[in-house]
Amino acid sequence: AQSVTQLDSQVPVFEEAPVELRCNYSSSVSVYLFWYVQYPNQGLQLLLKYLSGSTLVESINGFEAEFNKSQTSFHLRKPSVHISDTAEYFCAVSEGANFGNEKLTFGTGTRLTIIP
Amino acid sequence: DVKVTQSSRYLVKRTGEKVFLECVQDMDHENMFWYRQDPGLGLRLIYFSYDVKMKEKGDIPEGYSVSREKKERFSLILESASTNQTSMYLCASSNTVDTEAFFGQGTRLTVV
Repeated sequence: AQSVTQLDSQVPVFEEAPVELRCNYSSSVSVYLFWYVQYPNQGLQLLLKYLSGSTLVESINGFEAEFNKSQTSFHLRKPSVHISDTAEYFCAVSEGANFGNEKLTFGTGTRLTIIP
Repeated sequence: DVKVTQSSRYLVKRTGEKVFLECVQDMDHENMFWYRQDPGLGLRLIYFSYDVKMKEKGDIPEGYSVSREKKERFSLILESASTNQTSMYLCASSNTVDTEAFFGQGTRLTVV
């Protein structure tokens, strides 16, 4: 069975500083990996995803994540954060688009707080 | 604009009541999901469906049931609501190509 670990429940960061949110997964098969963001009082939105190909994927607002198969990790990074990045971030894994296997398993989330 | 719509943002129900949470998607997605979100626990899968009239138990199905009579609609049913079912409920749908899920705004259910 697949699982996701986000070790950091809360990460405070000064504005314009870099940040890394850690995500490790376990699965016995190839996986698809996702980062979702949840702003206060809103639903979840997709931030970025890895399906195949280049192991480095980027979002439109400056975040990037790198798929590392040997370390079973998919850490999220941003070189310079803004106040507007304050949100909860969820890492998720699915075991691919096979009939009945498409469910997403989520980590427990990391609350990112940007300090002015 | 793609959309997953949950019928209520906030609900307050009494212990023992039967509760229906409705979810509709307009993307013609095959897969639909119900999660509950609790602080410190992330999102936990209750049930999912990969086709009309098909359903699969997720990680925490006890006390819940689901119904999918039409492709666009997936209902979550609390047969007899209890206080430990007070939570945020999130509906999602996805296609079978890349499994990217689209979420509704959530229903915050309080059982008193």
